Amino acid sequence: DAGVIQSPRHEVTEMGQEVTLRCKPISGHDYLFWYRQTMMRGLELLIYFNNNVPIDDSGMPEDRFSAKMPNASFSTLKIQPSEPRDSAVYFCASHRTTGVNTEAFFGQGTRLTVV
Amino acid sequence: AQSVTQLDSHVSVSEGTPVLLRCNYSSSYSPSLFWYVQHPNKGLQLLLKYTSAATLVKGINGFEAEFKKSETSFHLTKPSAHMSDAAEYFCVVTLPRNSGNTPLVFGKGTRLSVIA
Repeated sequence: DAGVIQSPRHEVTEMGQEVTLRCKPISGHDYLFWYRQTMMRGLELLIYFNNNVPIDDSGMPEDRFSAKMPNASFSTLKIQPSEPRDSAVYFCASHRTTGVNTEAFFGQGTRLTVV
Repeated sequence: AQSVTQLDSHVSVSEGTPVLLRCNYSSSYSPSLFWYVQHPNKGLQLLLKYTSAATLVKGINGFEAEFKKSETSFHLTKPSAHMSDAAEYFCVVTLPRNSGNTPLVFGKGTRLSVIA
């Protein structure tokens, strides 16, 4: 398996524009997480899904943020409209709760810069 | 509530000296415990894991951790620090599906600096 795949790796956008971050989890994993990491706030859980269903989105900062998981192999995190304070590295992780290897696997992250 | 506490936000050691990064957890369940490492501008990489087998767990790059249930601890150690060990380290607990909690709980991280 190629691991958790995120795209794009880097995104630079202007304030007010819509940004869509993408994640492909590892096949067979039943949980998917979106995290945001900044120097000031560290690693923050934004939302997580179980079997494609959003379970807890209490970490989503504002209504400008939305996440979807239309199927087991794809998730998006959308910011509309984007603001400079959204600049951060966004990580996607997937995890399964059964079997031996129950650790979470992380993507390489998307570095978002909003100017 | 389930929680993970990393007792030091920053640890600084000299190259060649031992490393100790402390982690305590609180869980009503039998947890699986992990340490992840994040080098600057990189993603998170699994360093080692405890999943109720041997309590002393060996990981990559010479790191190891010991699960002590009586102390609810899972401290990370390395006998001799190398410059390349400078990174952010996260202690993580995963919980069973039926726990009713967020299945992945992170500590706030410990930044390890290694001085030449």
